[in-house]
Amino acid sequence: QKEVEQNSGPLSVPEGAIASLNCTYSDRGSQSFFWYRQYSGKSPELIMFIYSNGDKEDGRFTAQLNKASQYVSLLIRDSQPSDSATYLCAVESSASKIIFGSGTRLSIRP
Amino acid sequence: SAVISQKPSRDICQRGTSLTIQCQVDSQVTMMFWYRQQPGQSLTLIATANQGSEATYESGFVIDKFPISRPNLTFSTLTVSNMSPEDSSIYLCSGNRGANTEAFFGQGTRLTVV
Repeated sequence: QKEVEQNSGPLSVPEGAIASLNCTYSDRGSQSFFWYRQYSGKSPELIMFIYSNGDKEDGRFTAQLNKASQYVSLLIRDSQPSDSATYLCAVESSASKIIFGSGTRLSIRP
Repeated sequence: SAVISQKPSRDICQRGTSLTIQCQVDSQVTMMFWYRQQPGQSLTLIATANQGSEATYESGFVIDKFPISRPNLTFSTLTVSNMSPEDSSIYLCSGNRGANTEAFFGQGTRLTVV
């Protein structure tokens, strides 16, 4: 089992709709969870990070964490074409290493 | 967050040679990591760079191939040794200030081995 799993996509969402990205992880001792956005040819940039169960909102982005289910998600409301990118879920393991999932390609269609 | 300056940004190298990549952080960080990102793939952790001691390597990566130095809390290097075309990839350094803090990245080094 991979340490951090994501659907590779592509996930296609119409402009203005909600995009939902999901991630599961295997290390129950994980404490911090991150969502990064990566445009082609660029370095990853942090979108959200969460370490408490529940929801965390920042603008159009909401991260949701359920440690019992070992599940973290990212919702993007009012999706824009500029949101088209690869979204990387990252987990800080109990060994303080940050491990990335394989990424989900998101495409927002006008 | 912090700013990490990574260089070179890209290089084309002959097989059998070595390349050293440098990362300089504008402030002290607790942890530094080196990742590889092969075309169309996600980031794979190569090793954790430990200040003043040997790096901690992930499965599949060894010190002879990827020697790493971290002489202080703001600087680290990764050397890709005896390169082959399979080493063509983007290499990224990353840092954070400890548990429950974000990881921030250098700009990446795009390496092509011919």
